[in-house]
Amino acid sequence: SQTIHQWPATLVQPVGSPLSLECTVEGTSNPNLYWYRQAAGRGLQLLFYSVGIGQISSEVPQNLSASRPQDRQFILSSKKLLLSDSGFYLCAWLGWTARGYTFGSGTRLTVV
Amino acid sequence: GDSVTQMEGPVTLSEEAFLTINCTYTATGYPSLFWYVQYPGEGLQLLLKATKADDKGSNKGFEATYRKETTSFHLEKGSVQVSDSAVYFCALSDPADYKLSFGAGTTVTVRA
Repeated sequence: SQTIHQWPATLVQPVGSPLSLECTVEGTSNPNLYWYRQAAGRGLQLLFYSVGIGQISSEVPQNLSASRPQDRQFILSSKKLLLSDSGFYLCAWLGWTARGYTFGSGTRLTVV
Repeated sequence: GDSVTQMEGPVTLSEEAFLTINCTYTATGYPSLFWYVQYPGEGLQLLLKATKADDKGSNKGFEATYRKETTSFHLEKGSVQVSDSAVYFCALSDPADYKLSFGAGTTVTVRA
């Protein structure tokens, strides 16, 4: 079966520290992968998406970057976190089934 | 670009009440439409979807019909339960690149 893993579940980081969030998918190959952010009291904003290894598309200019070093691995990073980076980060993959998109359980990031 | 406008909340209901959450969209092509649900502290789960005009998606007593003429995809449930308390997101998928555009989300609280 196809599953998506995202970690950590929660993270508290000081301003100026680096960030690395990891997302991996099992049971599928060459998936489309996505990073979304949900700021407090707001909807979801697409940050990055990738259709293959090494291919990254950025939707909004920001303090974050993404990488896809392996087919089923998608990483969200920052060199120096800002307070405004706080939020709920969701990884998703597009499965070619009736289920459509599948989301990870999310990472709640608080920058202090 | 594609966008989704969703009824603002929060919405508070009594058990067994009727729930409607309005959702309208703007798209250049023929998108697929989705409703996602986010229970407290969790990630997003697909609730239902519709891929073409006049399709009706249904799940767990919820229904939504893809109305191309009114560009709408309103979510309804005839008798809500306390366990339906969650944030509901309307979304559309661009058929050109499969990116999801989300509404702002509607928080629903059902009281016993």
